[in-house]
Amino acid sequence: DAGVIQSPRHEVTEMGQEVTLRCKPISGHNSLFWYRQTMMRGLELLIYFNNNVPIDDSGMPEDRFSAKMPNASFSTLKIQPSEPRDSAVYFCASSLSPEWTGLADNEQFFGPGTRLTVL
Amino acid sequence: QQQVKQSPQSLIVQKGGISIINCAYENTAFDYFPWYQQFPGKGPALLIAIRPDVSEKKEGRFTISFNKSAKQFSLHIMDSQPGDSATYFCAASGYGGSQGNLIFGKGTKLSVKP
Repeated sequence: DAGVIQSPRHEVTEMGQEVTLRCKPISGHNSLFWYRQTMMRGLELLIYFNNNVPIDDSGMPEDRFSAKMPNASFSTLKIQPSEPRDSAVYFCASSLSPEWTGLADNEQFFGPGTRLTVL
Repeated sequence: QQQVKQSPQSLIVQKGGISIINCAYENTAFDYFPWYQQFPGKGPALLIAIRPDVSEKKEGRFTISFNKSAKQFSLHIMDSQPGDSATYFCAASGYGGSQGNLIFGKGTKLSVKP
């Protein structure tokens, strides 16, 4: 199994530009999560999807951020326009079950992350 | 009420020693407490997890101790090895059917000296 795949691994862009981060979850997994990691704030959940439907986007910082999951094997996180304070590592994670059981099928598998730098 | 407070921020241990990381939570609705391990340049990976119906769970050199009344849980790494050097995150979740919203601690950077 290839695990969760994220692209690009590194992105450097200038303030004001549009940034699109991509994620391919583990095949067969029904839940997908986007996180942001910074030194100051640690790991923050931005949004998660169950069966391709956004369930909770309360962590999305502001309207500049949007996420889509057009099918079970692909999701995007878009920032438009980007700002220097968006610089962080963005992780995508997936888990098997959309129903909360607190058991192994709720384990979240993280991708390698995208390191975003906005100049 | 949604926070998970983790300490210490960093920890240096000699090879063979015991590493102890502590976490505290406030939301009594939490019923799943995982620990994640993250190596530089990698995503976090689940290390071990516990439900509140047990007070301790052990997997190899890693043990979670859970104190429900104090709303605290800790990770103990016995016989710490240089390969254990990583950042460790505690987390909590469980909203009676609402999946997925893992609340993470700020992390502990562990360095095991040879």
